[in-house]
Amino acid sequence: DAGVIQSPRHEVTEMGQEVTLRCKPISGHNSLFWYRQTMMRGLELLIYFNNNVPIDDSGMPEDRFSAKMPNASFSTLKIQPSEPRDSAVYFCASSLVVTGGSPLHFGNGTRLTVT
Amino acid sequence: DQQVKQNSPSLSVQEGRISILNCDYTNSMFDYFLWYKKYPAEGPTFLISISSIKDKNEDGRFTVFLNKSAKHLSLHIVPSQPGDSAVYFCAAKRRDDKIIFGKGTRLHILP
Repeated sequence: DAGVIQSPRHEVTEMGQEVTLRCKPISGHNSLFWYRQTMMRGLELLIYFNNNVPIDDSGMPEDRFSAKMPNASFSTLKIQPSEPRDSAVYFCASSLVVTGGSPLHFGNGTRLTVT
Repeated sequence: DQQVKQNSPSLSVQEGRISILNCDYTNSMFDYFLWYKKYPAEGPTFLISISSIKDKNEDGRFTVFLNKSAKHLSLHIVPSQPGDSAVYFCAAKRRDDKIIFGKGTRLHILP
């Protein structure tokens, strides 16, 4: 079990550039979540998918943010154009939702720095 | 509007003693509550959960207590060990599977 794989681990970019973060969930999991961690706001839920369909994107801060899940094994989070306030650690997590409190399995995150 | 609140940013506990981490929530629509542990440069890892119909769940050194009337839950770690030093996140799951996290509490276990 390789776990949730995120790439890149670190991303440094200039303001105005497009940033794409990638996530490969655990095989067989049917839900995928994108979170952002900052000192001020902790772990914020940005968007989550169930069976590749976006269920709730109310946490996506602005239209500059978009997320896709073209198939069960891949998701992207894109920021275009990026701004310094987007600097944070972005986590992807997946779970097998059947019933009950199915725990999330997190990747190790992408640390984004926008200068 | 924070639906899951961890009001203590940090906590220091002597090794061998009990660590108690607290969490409050505002939404009665949560059906599960979970605790996660996070080390630096890693993603959070699942620790223990409790259904909203229970008031206690125990797993080894970890016990979670749920007080529905007070909308409060707590994580007890006993005895505390050096490896328990980490950030602990409280999380709540809605029936539509949306999972909301608190801001976390940094636990320091002192030798």
